[in-house]
Amino acid sequence: LAKTTQPISMDSYEGQEVNITCSHNNIATNDYITWYQQFPSQGPRFIIQGYKTKVTNEVASLFIPADRKSSTLSLPRVSLSDTAVYYCLVGRLSGSARQLTFGSGTQLTVLP
Amino acid sequence: DAGVIQSPRHEVTEMGQEVTLRCKPISGHDYLFWYRQTMMRGLELLIYFNNNVPIDDSGMPEDRFSAKMPNASFSTLKIQPSEPRDSAVYFCASSLPGQGRMNTEAFFGQGTRLTVV
Repeated sequence: LAKTTQPISMDSYEGQEVNITCSHNNIATNDYITWYQQFPSQGPRFIIQGYKTKVTNEVASLFIPADRKSSTLSLPRVSLSDTAVYYCLVGRLSGSARQLTFGSGTQLTVLP
Repeated sequence: DAGVIQSPRHEVTEMGQEVTLRCKPISGHDYLFWYRQTMMRGLELLIYFNNNVPIDDSGMPEDRFSAKMPNASFSTLKIQPSEPRDSAVYFCASSLPGQGRMNTEAFFGQGTRLTVV
C-alpha cells in the first residue's frame, strides 16, 4: 500500500489560503488520491478526490503533478470553522478492492 | 437518508466481556468499512465488505475481533473477550460502488466510543 506523509500541524489566519501537501511516493496506477476532514468527536468527511492534474469543487482544490508522487490540498480563504484534522489517503481501486488507508493527518488550526 | 448509523454511541465494559458494535450503512451503498481510531495509531482500517462479503480483513488485530454483514443494511463488529487496549473510537463507513475506477468517497458514522476497564 502507498504510504502517505504530510505535516503534523499547520497554523493559518482567517481569510488566508492554506495549502497542505502530501507525499505518496509509492502510489500505484489504480490508486486515487482523496482528502478527508475530521472534526473532534466526528467521523471523517470527504472533501475532494482526484487522479491527476487539478480538481476543484465548492470547498477545495486538489493539485496533482504528473508523476503523482505528491498532492496539494488548497483551501481558499479559511475560517475558524476550518480548524480540523485533514487526511490525505490513497484509495486502491481494483476490481472489488476499495482499501482506503488513512495517514497520520495534518492538524490545521485557523487563528483569528 | 439519515446517513450511516452506529450504535451504541458510547460503551463502557469490563475486561473479558463481549462487546458488539452495530452499523447500518446508507441504503444503496454496497461497500462497508470498519475503522478504529486511537491517539497512538490514528485511523486504522480493520475490515471491509463488498455486497455483504468480507473482502479484506487483514487489519483485524487478532482473533478476538470478528465482523459480520448478514445483509445489506446491517453489520456488526464483535470483540470477545474485550481488553483495555481495545479502548478506542470505532467508525463504520459506507460507499457507493462507484463508476469504473472512480469513487473513494466514504460516508462515516458518528462512531462508537468504547472504553474497556
